[in-house]
Amino acid sequence: AQKITQTQPGMFVQEKEAVTLDCTYDTSDPSYGLFWYKQPSSGEMIFLIYQGSYDQQNATEGRYSLNFQKARKSANLVISASQLGDSAMYFCAMREGIQDDKIIFGKGTRLHILP
Amino acid sequence: DGGITQSPKYLFRKEGQNVTLSCEQNLNHDAMYWYRQDPGQGLRLIYYSQIVNDFQKGDIAEGYSVSREKKESFPLTVTSAQKNPTAFYLCASSTNLYNEQFFGPGTRLTVL
Repeated sequence: AQKITQTQPGMFVQEKEAVTLDCTYDTSDPSYGLFWYKQPSSGEMIFLIYQGSYDQQNATEGRYSLNFQKARKSANLVISASQLGDSAMYFCAMREGIQDDKIIFGKGTRLHILP
Repeated sequence: DGGITQSPKYLFRKEGQNVTLSCEQNLNHDAMYWYRQDPGQGLRLIYYSQIVNDFQKGDIAEGYSVSREKKESFPLTVTSAQKNPTAFYLCASSTNLYNEQFFGPGTRLTVL
């Protein structure tokens, strides 16, 4: 079974609109961390936001926020006021437990911002 | 400036040749990682190292080898045993558990 599922292979959104990128995860470990990364066409991976499983509040970083619904095992990324530069691949990722240093990535969502 | 460097950006090799991809970081990070990315796919972990002189296999280690003789360096060798080596390779590092990973710019390997 996949540990990280991103069900939207591609999305088209009008500039200045908000966009939600879906991510569900699967783990039985009570301690885990969730990450979102952006990958522009240049290939580099850019860290956007992090949510710990014990964090009480949803993480926010500028225009990025993480809609963390623990019971549903959901960690959707919300981008407010989208910009043309937001066009990229977006990856959700998870680190399980406190012993394992691995991060597992989803297959990604390609976001296209339309002018 | 602190960061992670990978060289070269593009690499071409003939089938059957071993090739070594470089990854250097000056962030003083303990952990380093190698990922492989195929077109339209996410990242798959090849090898990772949490401290010097120690490393663990990831999900797709077959046909690859690594070394971690220095904290700053984590080279990846793609051997001739790797059946389909053409891919985009990303190196990353992190400070400790729960911190985000910082990525290098990647190396695109093409085996002819």
